[in-house]
Amino acid sequence: GAGVSQSPRYKVAKRGQDVALRCDPISGHVSLFWYQQALGQGPEFLTYFQNEAQLDKSGLPSDRFFAERPEGSVSTLKIQRTQQEDSAVYLCASSLKDRFGEKLFFGSGTQLSVL
Amino acid sequence: GQQVMQIPQYQHVQEGEDFTTYCNSSTTLSNIQWYKQRPGGHPVFLIQLVKSGEVKKQKRLTFQFGEAKKNSSLHITATQTTDVGTYFCAGPLRDDKIIFGKGTRLHILP
Repeated sequence: GAGVSQSPRYKVAKRGQDVALRCDPISGHVSLFWYQQALGQGPEFLTYFQNEAQLDKSGLPSDRFFAERPEGSVSTLKIQRTQQEDSAVYLCASSLKDRFGEKLFFGSGTQLSVL
Repeated sequence: GQQVMQIPQYQHVQEGEDFTTYCNSSTTLSNIQWYKQRPGGHPVFLIQLVKSGEVKKQKRLTFQFGEAKKNSSLHITATQTTDVGTYFCAGPLRDDKIIFGKGTRLHILP
């Protein structure tokens, strides 16, 4: 596709439910980033991949959060036993790194509401 | 920890006035990026600065990267209603993870 695609666009979950958020990056982009954005705040880094390798997961808030990118393309962010504090927009971005660094192209995000 | 900080958090300007947002990093950055997020939208890449002291212009927007590569600014001349949104700076910290500032939200008063 032309851009980064995320699904679902909106997700309502009951507290304790597991959720899976999907990201389809721009074809050929090596790097993929996940961010969490609370209302009125900046994107907070969660994790990032180069191809299938998860190079940094230091931003994942707890062991309930898990991300994978098994074939170096599509990525899934899974949240187990969701809590109300997990409510936020989850943004995925892909990047084609050049000699100057990464330039991120974001998807529209998944807005997660935990009731 | 390593941080990217932005000021001000909010800015209200009359249409036609100028606007500036400032970004500071706790560490030297190899490059700095700026993104714009419209209300209800997602961040969109604006520009990347790489060199010490670099200045780049995009129409009414002027971006600067400090000599020490630890600070940056975005200046908008003669703001228009289309400039409304939140402006974020972002920089790669260790291991290339890209960290965002909290952003400056720009409101334009007609």
